[in-house]
Amino acid sequence: EVQLVESGGGLVQPGRSLRLSCAVSGIIFEDYAMHWVRQVPGKGLEWVSGISWNSGRKAYVDAVKGRFTISRDNAENSLYLDMNTLRVEDTAFYYCVKDFRTGLGGGLRFDHWGQGTLVTVSS
Amino acid sequence: DVQMTQSPSSLSASVGDRVTVACRASQSVSTNVNWYQQRPGKAPKLLIYAASGLQSGVPSRFSGSGSGTDFTLTISSLQPEDFATYYCQQSYDSPWTFGQGTKVEIK
Repeated sequence: EVQLVESGGGLVQPGRSLRLSCAVSGIIFEDYAMHWVRQVPGKGLEWVSGISWNSGRKAYVDAVKGRFTISRDNAENSLYLDMNTLRVEDTAFYYCVKDFRTGLGGGLRFDHWGQGTLVTVSS
Repeated sequence: DVQMTQSPSSLSASVGDRVTVACRASQSVSTNVNWYQQRPGKAPKLLIYAASGLQSGVPSRFSGSGSGTDFTLTISSLQPEDFATYYCQQSYDSPWTFGQGTKVEIK
């Protein structure tokens, strides 16, 4: 069974930093690209960032470019999102998401999702 | 960025009804559209990929169609567990954008 378990969410002040982690099991982690998708409570979905199987390609939505960094450790079956200079508008549930293939690019699909971790940015 | 617009934003239907949700892309995305279901308090679940491919384990009452800019998700006979919010997503180009969602409620 594929499992994705996020951690690291919480309450943080604007301008501060936070690191999200995602522990993945039930698959050969290094065979798949991975993503972070966020959702403001009660609102829609927004893709945030993605990383290819070998970290050779990373992509970000414009709203987080220069502030967020995605990374992975294939030896530890883990995905990370380092979030710096957090803003109130970054408040959301953050989902760790598995792609169905190795690379980033057209035709991707998000076939497994974690349960999400809530990040609240507030003073 | 490719914008995805769903219609309607919400709908009311009864068990057994045929339900259709539309999604329009702001430019041609070929058949690079996925559909997800999100039940309250749960993570999204992939239903349809590449416009019409049925994800493994998803009931056959779900189907997708379309190409270019116009896409449709159809539920042939609505079941109690199908009351949820549905999102389309373009997988044509980064950033991989979602529609705003369509909430299917019980009539």
